Amino acid sequence: DAGITQSPRHKVTETGTPVTLRCHQTENHRYMYWYRQDPGHGLRLIHYSYGVKDTDKGEVSDGYSVSRSKTEDFLLTLESATSSQTSVYFCAISGTESSYEQYFGPGTRLTVT
Amino acid sequence: QKEVEQNSGPLSVPEGAIASLNCTYSDRGSQSFFWYRQYSGKSPELIMFIYSNGDKEDGRFTAQLNKASQYVSLLIRDSQPSDSATYLCAVRPGGSYIPTFGRGTSLIVHP
Repeated sequence: DAGITQSPRHKVTETGTPVTLRCHQTENHRYMYWYRQDPGHGLRLIHYSYGVKDTDKGEVSDGYSVSRSKTEDFLLTLESATSSQTSVYFCAISGTESSYEQYFGPGTRLTVT
Repeated sequence: QKEVEQNSGPLSVPEGAIASLNCTYSDRGSQSFFWYRQYSGKSPELIMFIYSNGDKEDGRFTAQLNKASQYVSLLIRDSQPSDSATYLCAVRPGGSYIPTFGRGTSLIVHP
């Protein structure tokens, strides 16, 4: 593993509650990403970060927000969880502008009831 | 919309055979190409990347890139049951550091 951890690894929550997922890296990589993966849809980019306090939206950002206050941590918040946000969430990192390979964390399985 | 297309499969091959996985992409300016392996219930694992036309070999894996025809392939020689997984193709469009992922091809290697 490329020094990426995600927490929690599993979570069950109720509709309408806020949820925060954490991604932590020890690689000092500049870029960090949040994806969700659902059957039939593949990996879809939610938000990404290109530096501390620098973030931008991906293709499925509605209902999600992110923050990055330190190089090593990237937080994903579901402001008010809905059943459609039940999914597996992956964090990924990549290094420099000459090294484009992404490395993935172990994932968080989130169930919204 | 930049697209990356893969046959969803499953592709079934006998143990010891060559498995050939294909991926086509729509952005002619794409610069970097990646193959990930994903076991059921696990995260994607980078197994190959290729930037230039031609072949790149790493052990039993060979990535082949043809920019003129806009396809990239992954060959797995001497396939083993442990190679059974979903293989994701990812393509980095020109002018971006964010790859576009295909939906993956399921590979089954049967003894």
